[in-house]
Amino acid sequence: KAGVTQTPRYLIKTRGQQVTLSCSPISGHRSVSWYQQTPGQGLQFLFEYFSETQRNKGNFPGRFSGRQFSNSRSEMNVSTLELGDSALYLCASTHLAAGGGELFFGSGTQLSVL
Amino acid sequence: AQSVAQPEDQVNVAEGNPLTVKCTYSVSGNPYLFWYVQYPNRGLQFLLKYITGDNLVKGSYGFEAEFNKSQTSFHLKKPSALVSDSALYFCAVRDMDDPVGANNLFFGTGTRLTVIP
Repeated sequence: KAGVTQTPRYLIKTRGQQVTLSCSPISGHRSVSWYQQTPGQGLQFLFEYFSETQRNKGNFPGRFSGRQFSNSRSEMNVSTLELGDSALYLCASTHLAAGGGELFFGSGTQLSVL
Repeated sequence: AQSVAQPEDQVNVAEGNPLTVKCTYSVSGNPYLFWYVQYPNRGLQFLLKYITGDNLVKGSYGFEAEFNKSQTSFHLKKPSALVSDSALYFCAVRDMDDPVGANNLFFGTGTRLTVIP
C-alpha cells in the first residue's frame, strides 16, 4: 500500500508569490491534515479536511488555505508569501473519522521563501 | 486547552544503555497520546499510542511508553539504545472528549536523541 505522497519535495519562492502544495493520502483514508514544521516552533496544526469539508483550522492567517477533492487528495495554498513562511509542510492522513487513530505522514514539502 | 511539554531539547545516551525521553501533557478531558520519530529529511513515523487500558504501551523498534495519569506523563523508553535510534522524537496529544478537533494532534517541540557508539 502506497504511503502519503507530497509534491513537490522542494520549493523556492520569493516574497509576495503564492504557492500550492499537493498531498495524496493513503488509499481509503478520508481525513487529511496539514502541519507546518519550523525549528523554533515545532509542529503547528494548519487545518484538517474530512470528506471535502474543513473540520478544524489552526491559528494561521487567512493567507493559508486548503481544499480536499472527492478522491481525498488535498492541496494547500499560501498566498503573498513572507520570509517566515519558510518551513517544512507536512501532510498526514488517517482512516478514522475521529478518535485514536494514528496519523500517517508524508515526507513533506520544504518551502524556502527568499 | 491542550498542550505537550518535552522538557529536554537534547538527550545523549551510550549505545546499549537504557534511554528515556520525557513528555508531559495537559488536556481538559481524557488523552490520546502518541509518540512519533523523525529521521533527517523525512516525515514523522508513528511509534506507539495510548488510547485506553494497560498503562504500559509497547510499540515499534523495541520502544515502550508508560502512561501516568496522576503525573500527566507519557515517557518514552527503550531498554537498550542503538546508534540507529538517533533521531528527533515528538510526543503528541489529543483530547478524546473534543469532538471538533477529531484528528488534530498537539505536538511537543521535540527531543533530539543521540546515541553514542
